[in-house]
Amino acid sequence: SQQGEEDPQALSIQEGENATMNCSYKTSINNLQWYRQNSGRGLVHLILIRSNEREKHSGRLRVTLDTSKKSSSLLITASRAADTASYFCATEPGGGTYKYIFGTGTRLKVLA
Amino acid sequence: DTAVSQTPKYLVTQMGNDKSIKCEQNLGHDTMYWYKQDSKKFLKIMFSYNNKELIINETVPNRFSPKSPDKAHLNLHINSLELGDSAVYFCASSQSQGSYGYTFGSGTRLTVV
Repeated sequence: SQQGEEDPQALSIQEGENATMNCSYKTSINNLQWYRQNSGRGLVHLILIRSNEREKHSGRLRVTLDTSKKSSSLLITASRAADTASYFCATEPGGGTYKYIFGTGTRLKVLA
Repeated sequence: DTAVSQTPKYLVTQMGNDKSIKCEQNLGHDTMYWYKQDSKKFLKIMFSYNNKELIINETVPNRFSPKSPDKAHLNLHINSLELGDSAVYFCASSQSQGSYGYTFGSGTRLTVV
């Protein structure tokens, strides 16, 4: 089974609304990363949050991490049509494996 | 000035053939990876090289063999292709084994017929 699982699997919102995606994982981690994948393209690194951080911001992105619940959320504020993509979380299970495991992804559609 | 480039972008081949995918990064990163993304968008790591040394070798068939001639290149050779090998294969690179995030290539869509 996957280390990380995103929720919801799919999300459709209107332009200007906020989008929230969640990621749950199973084991302790060193850090958690979020990526975006546009259709037919590679993944693009968005933001990294370390296990000793609780919240991080980057432009319209806000990521939170709750290690006690083994979960993270990605909030995209004031969404745009260009935000339409799949979003993945990636975690390194720790123990120095350096093996990042990707979740199942949330497909976000922003309607203009 | 592409950071991580893969070739070819598309590959259609018959069962039983042998094919290779090439990857190059110009970021000066010390670690490179191969990931496989299936039709459900699930990404699974296959291999990772750090400074030309194999550090991650997931349970993949022996038909898949990576090769890293130097730390800027990581190729993937697949023997005796099967229908189930059809997927998108992504190359990625990172510094310090991913602690600062990966940079992905645009993928190679492999279709085995």
